[in-house]
Amino acid sequence: EVQLVQSGAEVKKPGESLKISCKGSGYSFRTYWIGWVRQMPGKGLEWMGIIHPGDSDIRYSPSFQGQVTISVDRSINTAFLQWSSLKASDTAIYYCARRTYLDYWGQGTLVIVSS
Amino acid sequence: SYELTQPPSVSVSPGQTARITCSGDTLPKKYAYWYQQKSGQAPVLVIYEDTQRPSGIPERFSGSISGTMATLTISGAQVEDEADYHCYSTDRSGYGGVFGGGTKLTVL
Repeated sequence: EVQLVQSGAEVKKPGESLKISCKGSGYSFRTYWIGWVRQMPGKGLEWMGIIHPGDSDIRYSPSFQGQVTISVDRSINTAFLQWSSLKASDTAIYYCARRTYLDYWGQGTLVIVSS
Repeated sequence: SYELTQPPSVSVSPGQTARITCSGDTLPKKYAYWYQQKSGQAPVLVIYEDTQRPSGIPERFSGSISGTMATLTISGAQVEDEADYHCYSTDRSGYGGVFGGGTKLTVL
């Protein structure tokens, strides 16, 4: 069974750094792209970027380029999304999903940034 | 930048057919995908490559494409189909993704 399991909810202060994770199982992790999607409170889905675990090829949405960093650790079948300096506007649920067309999704990670 | 446009809301009575549209200039060349998102849950893929239904998705869900418009049809909508529906496609490179704004389907 394909599963993507994400790390737990986070509460952070503005300016702090954060790295959330997405662990894949039940399939060949290195074969399929992993994408990240943001959903701000009460809003729609926003595509942030994708990474290929096999060669770490990364594509960012222009809206998120320079704002976040996507990475992967093949040895533990895990993709990451990180921020170096959080803003209140980063408050959202972040989803990871498999393949360029997002066939399987993680359960989401709630990130709250508040002073 | 590339955009997909959906109506904010659609409302039908149980048993009626619900149609949700998604328009975008590259849809004649790039596939459309549809996701169902129930309140408090992660999205679920219900249609891929314009018209294909993943295993486990009820047959009442179907997809079609005509020119620059993709349509998700729910034939005989049920109360449990009430959710937000998001269309998705890729940009001209095939790697950059974009979502429509989402459509809230009400079945009552």
